[in-house]
Amino acid sequence: AQSVTQPDIHITVSEGASLELRCNYSYGATPYLFWYVQSPGQGLQLLLKYFSGDTLVQGIKGFEAEFKRSQSSFNLRKPSVHWSDAAEYFCAVGAGAGNQFYFGTGTSLTVIP
Amino acid sequence: ETGVTQTPRHLVMGMTNKKSLKCEQHLGHNAMYWYKQSAKKPLELMFVYNFKEQTENNSVPSRFSPECPNSSHLFLHLHTLQPEDSALYLCASSQGDFPENYGYTFGSGTRLTVV
Repeated sequence: AQSVTQPDIHITVSEGASLELRCNYSYGATPYLFWYVQSPGQGLQLLLKYFSGDTLVQGIKGFEAEFKRSQSSFNLRKPSVHWSDAAEYFCAVGAGAGNQFYFGTGTSLTVIP
Repeated sequence: ETGVTQTPRHLVMGMTNKKSLKCEQHLGHNAMYWYKQSAKKPLELMFVYNFKEQTENNSVPSRFSPECPNSSHLFLHLHTLQPEDSALYLCASSQGDFPENYGYTFGSGTRLTVV
């Protein structure tokens, strides 16, 4: 069965510092992988996605993620965090047919000045 | 309007009430979804509609009843809910034709409180 694990429930970083959010997945074939961000009281916004090709994908707001098949990981990175990046981040894996996806439990990011 | 619009944004209802959540998408997508988001739990897929036809019902209690009259509108009818049904209900749409189009567009959600 498909599953997504986000090991870090909460991360705190200083503004301007680099960021890496971890995501591990379980899936039998090449997955479709996504990162979403959710600001308080809002829905989820797609940051980036991987479905084939280059394993390093660029997204919006300066984020990138790298697909590592050998580690079953799809970690999200940003070289310099801004205070506006404080939010909840969700990793998701595609289940293939039917365009359905499974989400992790999320990582809450706090940015301190 | 563009994107996915959900109404109302907030809803408080008693356990004997009947209410409906509405979702509308102006993206021309062919699939729509209802998700339940509870604190500290993964998003739970409730219902999936592809081309107005329900294709998934993930063991959702019958007190939740979806309706999809056309490819742009999705409703979630609620009746005799329980306090544990209090959550953020998210609607999403997607265009599921090619992998490069995969990925949801979410609405802002309806915060439901059952009292």
